[in-house]
Amino acid sequence: AIQMTQSPSSLSASVGDRVTITCRASQDIGNNLGWYQQNPGKAPKLLIYAASGLQSGVPSRFSGSRSGTDFTLTISSLQPEDFASYYCLQDYNYPRTFGQGTKVEIK
Amino acid sequence: EVQLVESGGDLVQPGGSLRLSCAASGFTFSTYAMNWVRQAPGKGLEWLSFISSGGHTIYYADSVKGRFTISRDNAKNSLYLQMNSLRDEDTAVYYCARESVVATLYYWGQGTLVTVSS
Repeated sequence: AIQMTQSPSSLSASVGDRVTITCRASQDIGNNLGWYQQNPGKAPKLLIYAASGLQSGVPSRFSGSRSGTDFTLTISSLQPEDFASYYCLQDYNYPRTFGQGTKVEIK
Repeated sequence: EVQLVESGGDLVQPGGSLRLSCAASGFTFSTYAMNWVRQAPGKGLEWLSFISSGGHTIYYADSVKGRFTISRDNAKNSLYLQMNSLRDEDTAVYYCARESVVATLYYWGQGTLVTVSS
């Protein structure tokens, strides 16, 4: 199975900060990666598809990029509603595998 | 509006069985592949299983292979997860999720809680 190594596991940031979260795939997965946001007690929500595609309705402060097997989710200016957990998911093959998650907390 | 509503979560003893359901509406269910995902308390997300639109292609995570069975009834717009030989570590919120052309887990249900405990 493809392993997705996500970092950091948590971070503290302030409103307005630029935040980056990284996932590294254990092998080439092309652009087959999505990013999901999850608020406490809620179902996850798709933010980014195909490594850099912005899901409809998601604010433009969210962006995704790829460099080889490294994928990055960037929040350009953190807003209060962005304090949540974030997960990457490879959808290159089965079994699908998630990163371990990143909890973004208020500093 | 796409809606996915899970049900069937309960408290069950180790070694027991449970069947989860996911009722779909707002789209043509028979044309979309579906997945199950779970999240143990305080832990991350774990993909469990996939079923193609017609039900002919199925995949499982190693953690549930041989114990869980995914199925669907397109006439009833419903997805199922039969869970047997349940273990403490199967305690989790279970989500169903619909695929799309661009992403595996495009729409999610609200989840149903399964607790395995004696």
